[in-house]
Amino acid sequence: TQLLEQSPQFLSIQEGENLTVYCNSSSVFSSLQWYRQEPGEGPVLLVTVVTGGEVKKLKRLTFQFGDARKDSSLHITAAQPGDTGLYLCAGPFRGFNKFYFGSGTKLNVKP
Amino acid sequence: DTAVSQTPKYLVTQMGNDKSIKCEQNLGHDTMYWYKQDSKKFLKIMFSYNNKELIINETVPNRFSPKSPDKAHLNLHINSLELGDSAVYFCASSQDMPDRGLFDEQFFGPGTRLTVL
Repeated sequence: TQLLEQSPQFLSIQEGENLTVYCNSSSVFSSLQWYRQEPGEGPVLLVTVVTGGEVKKLKRLTFQFGDARKDSSLHITAAQPGDTGLYLCAGPFRGFNKFYFGSGTKLNVKP
Repeated sequence: DTAVSQTPKYLVTQMGNDKSIKCEQNLGHDTMYWYKQDSKKFLKIMFSYNNKELIINETVPNRFSPKSPDKAHLNLHINSLELGDSAVYFCASSQDMPDRGLFDEQFFGPGTRLTVL
């Protein structure tokens, strides 16, 4: 059992469709980050959410942190092939020295 | 002008050997990390150093020994390699150490794919 569970594990959609990726935990996190990893490369930070209920937008990507700070979601509007990659949520747990990544969502956007 | 670089990119070796992976960052960051990503893409933190001092040491076999000669470098030495050590190892850096539950943005290297035969 992982501390941060992401769903779905895999997602294959057509260009132009919308999608939502979820990151859930039974524990409270002081903050959560979302990263995107492309094949053969390291993860790149997309956003950090800190306050319960917070919503952040990054162009077509909308990130939300749950009110109880136990979950987060990433919504992509009108997905494009360039959005293809592995999406990872991550955050510190039980003190700032423990940092965990979620199980990941592999997204494939077909042209 | 690579921010976080790792060498080598690929490492293929026999069980029982000892190997090292080097990491360098030119971002002027104080904190560096080592992560292991397994075949299912699960990324797990192994170690973190802040200004050459160990601040995170997860449950990792003591065959793995990090060394930070200065704050721009964090190397990973692995003794007596085992099949289960096969993975992609990522080095990362951030401006500062974690503070009150907040982690700075981490900048990752391109990874080192280790294959143990």
